Amino acid sequence: DTAVSQTPKYLVTQMGNDKSIKCEQNLGHDTMYWYKQDSKKFLKIMFSYNNKELIINETVPNRFSPKSPDKAHLNLHINSLELGDSAVYFCASSQEVRGNTQYFGPGTRLTVL
Amino acid sequence: GQNIDQPTEMTATEGAIVQINCTYQTSGFNGLFWYQQHAGEAPTFLSYNVLDGLEEKGRFSSFLSRSKGYSYLLLKELQMKDSASYLCAVRDAGTYKYIFGTGTRLKVLA
Repeated sequence: DTAVSQTPKYLVTQMGNDKSIKCEQNLGHDTMYWYKQDSKKFLKIMFSYNNKELIINETVPNRFSPKSPDKAHLNLHINSLELGDSAVYFCASSQEVRGNTQYFGPGTRLTVL
Repeated sequence: GQNIDQPTEMTATEGAIVQINCTYQTSGFNGLFWYQQHAGEAPTFLSYNVLDGLEEKGRFSSFLSRSKGYSYLLLKELQMKDSASYLCAVRDAGTYKYIFGTGTRLKVLA
């Protein structure tokens, strides 16, 4: 009974390719997030959706496009991949109760060659 | 601006007590969180503070002083499995964003 799941866990691809990462949560949460964690382990917010509506959109290249088909899913599509996109991408979800604790997915390690 | 500071690395001995400090500056405050992240794994929630004072949860406690923009995570009776990174995060009341520190890598030695 995984709470927040992501696929794939590992993704190795060539520069210039287009790839997608999928995220699903079965916690009934209203809000979902995408984070990028770089090689220095710094976790930075990219996007947040609340009930399928985009509420946070950080300064992220427009090659990154999130899509939320319903409140349990938040996918991330990346066009024209670059070397600097190599990182671990974490999906997370939270609910508007007691401090909005976030629950993280297992992460997708993206390596761009 | 928004800024969160934590020490980069700490080392402690099994069975000891360690305190990991976090100072923050945000435009608005809506709670402070501590997460544990083992190498190659996802961050997992440890504690949450929104009012001043100490929150205790087993071997882990977290303290908050909003006037000082300061928190600490206290780990007692350290075990080898506590070797991990500890991330301090603040939720900004104005933007609703979670702002993470760079994490403190804790090594527990036998």
